[in-house]
Amino acid sequence: EPEVTQTPSHQVTQMGQEVILRCVPISNHLYFYWYRQILGQKVEFLVSFYNNEISEKSEIFDDQFSVERPDGSNFTLKIRSTKLEDSAMYFCASSDRDNEQFFGPGTRLTVL
Amino acid sequence: SQQGEEDPQALSIQEGENATMNCSYKTSINNLQWYRQNSGRGLVHLILIRSNEREKHSGRLRVTLDTSKKSSSLLITASRAADTASYFCATASGNTPLVFGKGTRLSVIA
Repeated sequence: EPEVTQTPSHQVTQMGQEVILRCVPISNHLYFYWYRQILGQKVEFLVSFYNNEISEKSEIFDDQFSVERPDGSNFTLKIRSTKLEDSAMYFCASSDRDNEQFFGPGTRLTVL
Repeated sequence: SQQGEEDPQALSIQEGENATMNCSYKTSINNLQWYRQNSGRGLVHLILIRSNEREKHSGRLRVTLDTSKKSSSLLITASRAADTASYFCATASGNTPLVFGKGTRLSVIA
Protein backbone atom coordinates (compact mmCIF):
# COMPACT_ATOMS: atom_id res chain seq x y z
CA GLU A 1 0.00 0.00 0.00
CA PRO A 2 1.42 3.41 -0.93
CA GLU A 3 2.50 5.58 1.97
CA VAL A 4 4.02 8.94 2.76
CA THR A 5 7.62 8.77 3.88
CA GLN A 6 9.66 11.35 5.77
CA THR A 7 13.35 11.78 6.51
CA PRO A 8 15.06 12.09 8.84
CA SER A 9 13.03 10.54 11.64
CA HIS A 10 14.86 12.70 14.18
CA GLN A 11 16.83 15.89 13.62
CA VAL A 12 18.81 17.68 16.32
CA THR A 13 20.09 21.15 15.54
CA GLN A 14 21.49 24.21 17.23
CA MET A 15 19.41 27.36 17.52
CA GLY A 16 19.94 29.60 14.50
CA GLN A 17 20.81 26.75 12.15
CA GLU A 18 18.91 25.90 9.00
CA VAL A 19 17.11 22.58 8.71
CA ILE A 20 15.45 20.87 5.78
CA LEU A 21 12.81 18.25 6.42
CA ARG A 22 12.06 15.93 3.55
CA CYS A 23 8.92 14.14 2.48
CA VAL A 24 7.95 11.84 -0.35
CA PRO A 25 4.17 12.06 -0.80
CA ILE A 26 2.04 9.33 -2.31
CA SER A 27 2.82 9.37 -6.01
CA ASN A 28 -0.57 10.12 -7.55
CA HIS A 29 -1.57 12.72 -4.97
CA LEU A 30 -1.93 16.35 -5.94
CA TYR A 31 -2.10 18.20 -2.63
CA PHE A 32 0.67 18.36 -0.08
CA TYR A 33 0.70 19.65 3.47
CA TRP A 34 2.98 20.26 6.41
CA TYR A 35 1.65 20.13 9.97
CA ARG A 36 3.43 20.26 13.27
CA GLN A 37 2.70 19.00 16.76
CA ILE A 38 4.45 20.46 19.76
CA LEU A 39 4.78 17.83 22.48
CA GLY A 40 1.48 17.32 24.25
CA GLN A 41 -0.41 19.74 22.03
CA LYS A 42 -2.71 19.63 19.02
CA VAL A 43 -1.66 18.99 15.47
CA GLU A 44 -1.40 22.41 13.79
CA PHE A 45 -1.51 23.23 10.10
CA LEU A 46 1.49 25.00 8.61
CA VAL A 47 1.12 25.11 4.84
CA SER A 48 -0.55 23.48 1.87
CA PHE A 49 0.87 23.17 -1.62
CA TYR A 50 -0.85 22.53 -4.93
CA ASN A 51 0.15 22.95 -8.53
CA ASN A 52 3.67 23.99 -7.55
CA GLU A 53 2.65 26.81 -5.30
CA ILE A 54 1.51 27.50 -1.79
CA SER A 55 -2.28 27.39 -1.66
CA GLU A 56 -2.73 28.24 2.01
CA LYS A 57 -0.55 28.95 5.03
CA SER A 58 -1.12 29.56 8.70
CA GLU A 59 0.17 32.30 10.96
CA ILE A 60 2.87 29.92 12.15
CA PHE A 61 4.33 29.76 8.64
CA ASP A 62 6.31 32.99 8.77
CA ASP A 63 9.28 34.15 6.71
CA GLN A 64 11.55 31.63 8.39
CA PHE A 65 9.68 28.80 6.69
CA SER A 66 9.65 27.79 3.05
CA VAL A 67 8.50 24.80 1.05
CA GLU A 68 9.65 23.38 -2.20
CA ARG A 69 8.91 20.53 -4.55
CA PRO A 70 12.31 20.28 -6.19
CA ASP A 71 11.44 17.31 -8.38
CA GLY A 72 8.51 15.05 -9.12
CA SER A 73 8.66 13.16 -5.86
CA ASN A 74 10.09 15.18 -2.97
CA PHE A 75 8.40 17.87 -0.90
CA THR A 76 10.59 19.78 1.54
CA LEU A 77 10.11 22.13 4.46
CA LYS A 78 12.98 24.47 5.24
CA ILE A 79 13.37 26.44 8.45
CA ARG A 80 16.03 29.08 7.86
CA SER A 81 17.03 29.99 11.39
CA THR A 82 15.62 27.62 13.95
CA LYS A 83 14.34 28.77 17.32
CA LEU A 84 13.85 26.76 20.48
CA GLU A 85 10.10 26.93 20.01
CA ASP A 86 10.39 25.21 16.62
CA SER A 87 11.03 21.95 18.48
CA ALA A 88 8.13 19.71 17.50
CA MET A 89 7.05 16.73 15.42
CA TYR A 90 6.64 17.80 11.81
CA PHE A 91 4.23 15.81 9.71
CA CYS A 92 3.92 15.78 5.97
CA ALA A 93 0.62 14.74 4.41
CA SER A 94 -0.71 14.28 0.93
CA SER A 95 -4.16 13.86 -0.54
CA ASP A 96 -6.05 13.37 -3.75
CA ARG A 97 -9.07 15.44 -4.78
CA ASP A 98 -11.16 13.89 -2.01
CA ASN A 99 -8.92 15.49 0.61
CA GLU A 100 -8.40 12.16 2.35
CA GLN A 101 -5.07 13.09 3.87
CA PHE A 102 -2.46 10.49 4.61
CA PHE A 103 0.32 11.38 6.96
CA GLY A 104 3.94 10.40 7.10
CA PRO A 105 5.54 9.08 10.29
CA GLY A 106 6.90 12.52 11.17
CA THR A 107 10.26 14.10 11.84
CA ARG A 108 11.04 14.95 15.42
CA LEU A 109 12.94 18.24 15.41
CA THR A 110 14.88 19.16 18.52
CA VAL A 111 16.39 22.64 18.67
CA LEU A 112 19.05 23.10 21.35
CA SER B 1 -13.32 27.80 12.98
CA GLN B 2 -14.14 24.31 11.81
CA GLN B 3 -12.34 23.00 14.84
CA GLY B 4 -13.24 19.51 15.93
CA GLU B 5 -13.28 18.83 19.62
CA GLU B 6 -13.23 15.32 20.98
CA ASP B 7 -15.03 14.10 24.04
CA PRO B 8 -14.09 12.64 26.46
CA GLN B 9 -10.51 13.83 26.84
CA ALA B 10 -9.56 10.49 28.33
CA LEU B 11 -11.22 7.09 28.40
CA SER B 12 -10.14 3.95 30.20
CA ILE B 13 -11.83 0.63 29.51
CA GLN B 14 -11.27 -3.09 29.91
CA GLU B 15 -10.19 -5.20 26.99
CA GLY B 16 -13.20 -6.54 25.14
CA GLU B 17 -15.41 -3.55 25.95
CA ASN B 18 -16.55 -1.05 23.36
CA ALA B 19 -15.08 2.46 23.27
CA THR B 20 -17.05 5.44 22.05
CA MET B 21 -15.50 8.81 21.31
CA ASN B 22 -17.34 11.88 20.17
CA CYS B 23 -16.37 14.86 18.08
CA SER B 24 -18.13 18.18 17.65
CA TYR B 25 -17.36 20.89 15.14
CA LYS B 26 -18.62 24.34 14.33
CA THR B 27 -18.97 25.00 10.61
CA SER B 28 -20.04 23.23 7.42
CA ILE B 29 -17.74 20.48 6.29
CA ASN B 30 -17.20 18.27 3.27
CA ASN B 31 -15.81 15.41 5.28
CA LEU B 32 -14.64 14.37 8.70
CA GLN B 33 -11.68 12.10 9.27
CA TRP B 34 -10.56 10.09 12.27
CA TYR B 35 -6.92 9.41 13.06
CA ARG B 36 -5.05 7.37 15.64
CA GLN B 37 -1.74 8.35 17.17
CA ASN B 38 0.37 6.13 19.37
CA SER B 39 2.49 8.04 21.84
CA GLY B 40 5.19 10.03 20.04
CA ARG B 41 4.40 8.44 16.71
CA GLY B 42 2.72 9.41 13.44
CA LEU B 43 -0.93 9.87 12.58
CA VAL B 44 -2.63 6.83 11.17
CA HIS B 45 -5.65 7.49 8.98
CA LEU B 46 -8.58 5.41 10.19
CA ILE B 47 -11.63 6.46 8.26
CA LEU B 48 -13.16 9.31 6.26
CA ILE B 49 -16.87 10.02 6.30
CA ARG B 50 -18.36 12.46 3.82
CA SER B 51 -21.00 15.00 4.69
CA ASN B 52 -23.64 13.07 2.73
CA GLU B 53 -22.94 9.86 4.66
CA ARG B 54 -24.44 8.99 8.02
CA GLU B 55 -22.54 5.88 8.99
CA LYS B 56 -19.45 4.04 7.88
CA HIS B 57 -17.78 0.82 8.99
CA SER B 58 -14.24 -0.41 8.75
CA GLY B 59 -13.41 -3.62 10.60
CA ARG B 60 -14.07 -2.98 14.31
CA LEU B 61 -14.60 0.73 13.68
CA ARG B 62 -17.95 2.38 13.24
CA VAL B 63 -18.23 6.08 12.53
CA THR B 64 -21.39 8.13 12.49
CA LEU B 65 -21.94 11.66 11.32
CA ASP B 66 -24.83 13.94 12.20
CA THR B 67 -24.45 17.14 10.21
CA SER B 68 -27.52 18.69 11.82
CA LYS B 69 -25.85 18.42 15.22
CA LYS B 70 -22.37 18.95 13.80
CA SER B 71 -21.12 15.87 15.56
CA SER B 72 -19.50 12.54 14.86
CA SER B 73 -18.77 9.46 16.90
CA LEU B 74 -16.14 6.76 16.63
CA LEU B 75 -16.99 3.37 18.08
CA ILE B 76 -14.32 0.73 18.53
CA THR B 77 -15.88 -2.63 19.27
CA ALA B 78 -14.25 -5.45 21.22
CA SER B 79 -11.29 -3.27 22.15
CA ARG B 80 -7.79 -4.65 22.48
CA ALA B 81 -4.77 -3.46 24.41
CA ALA B 82 -3.22 -2.49 21.06
CA ASP B 83 -6.02 0.05 20.56
CA THR B 84 -4.46 2.15 23.32
CA ALA B 85 -3.67 5.46 21.64
CA SER B 86 -4.93 9.00 21.14
CA TYR B 87 -7.75 9.42 18.68
CA PHE B 88 -8.35 12.64 16.76
CA CYS B 89 -11.10 13.88 14.55
CA ALA B 90 -10.26 16.35 11.82
CA THR B 91 -12.61 18.31 9.64
CA ALA B 92 -12.24 19.77 6.17
CA SER B 93 -14.14 21.75 3.56
CA GLY B 94 -12.96 20.93 0.08
CA ASN B 95 -9.20 20.72 -0.19
CA THR B 96 -8.61 22.83 2.87
CA PRO B 97 -6.20 21.97 5.65
CA LEU B 98 -7.47 19.64 8.31
CA VAL B 99 -8.35 21.15 11.66
CA PHE B 100 -7.63 18.80 14.51
CA GLY B 101 -9.12 18.58 17.95
CA LYS B 102 -7.18 17.85 21.12
CA GLY B 103 -7.93 14.16 20.92
CA THR B 104 -9.23 11.45 23.20
CA ARG B 105 -6.63 9.38 25.03
CA LEU B 106 -7.90 5.81 25.08
CA SER B 107 -6.42 3.28 27.48
CA VAL B 108 -7.44 -0.33 27.06
CA ILE B 109 -6.52 -2.40 30.06
CA ALA B 110 -5.79 -6.08 29.54
